[in-house]
Amino acid sequence: NAGVTQTPKFRVLKTGQSMTLLCAQDMNHEYMYWYRQDPGMGLRLIHYSVGEGTTAKGEVPDGYNVSRLKKQNFLLGLESAAPSQTSVYFCASRTRDREETQYFGPGTRLLVL
Amino acid sequence: KQEVTQIPAALSVPEGENLVLNCSFTDSAIYNLQWFRQDPGKGLTSLLLIQSSQREQTSGRLNASLDKSSGRSTLYIAASQPGDSATYLCAFANAGGTSYGKLTFGQGTILTVHP
Repeated sequence: NAGVTQTPKFRVLKTGQSMTLLCAQDMNHEYMYWYRQDPGMGLRLIHYSVGEGTTAKGEVPDGYNVSRLKKQNFLLGLESAAPSQTSVYFCASRTRDREETQYFGPGTRLLVL
Repeated sequence: KQEVTQIPAALSVPEGENLVLNCSFTDSAIYNLQWFRQDPGKGLTSLLLIQSSQREQTSGRLNASLDKSSGRSTLYIAASQPGDSATYLCAFANAGGTSYGKLTFGQGTILTVHP
């Protein structure tokens, strides 16, 4: 089991460019999440999905879009990157069992110039 | 809205010391509390999960407690080792059928254990 994987590991963008971050999990988890981590801010939820074809907004969704066309993949898109989106992005997944923990990927470090 | 605060922000201790990390929260309508460990440049690893009906959980040298009435949780690390050096984060899943396991995180405590 690879668990939760994220692609790419690191990326540099110029303001206005677009990109897609890919999250993949091989644990057959129903729920998937995208967080961003900034110094002194902890992790904040961007978007989440409770199943294939469904997505919902989290705490800080502005400037991001997501898609979950396949159960194992959760994509995070930046249509027009801004310096404020410089951050470390983490994907996580979990079963529907409310007593289960979330499993996190290794993160994607994004720098927007 | 749930707010989570972790104190201290950073802690440096000599090897072998017992230590306590603190986490406070404002909304007692939680479903569970979790403590995570994050090594530099890495993702988060779950250490302990306490359901709202429980008071504590133990795993090896780690013990986590939950006091909903006071809005506090503590992570106790016994006989600390240099390998325990990492950032420790607490997180809460709120109660409610539509919470879908969403977590609210504290800012973390950076722990350094020096030989």
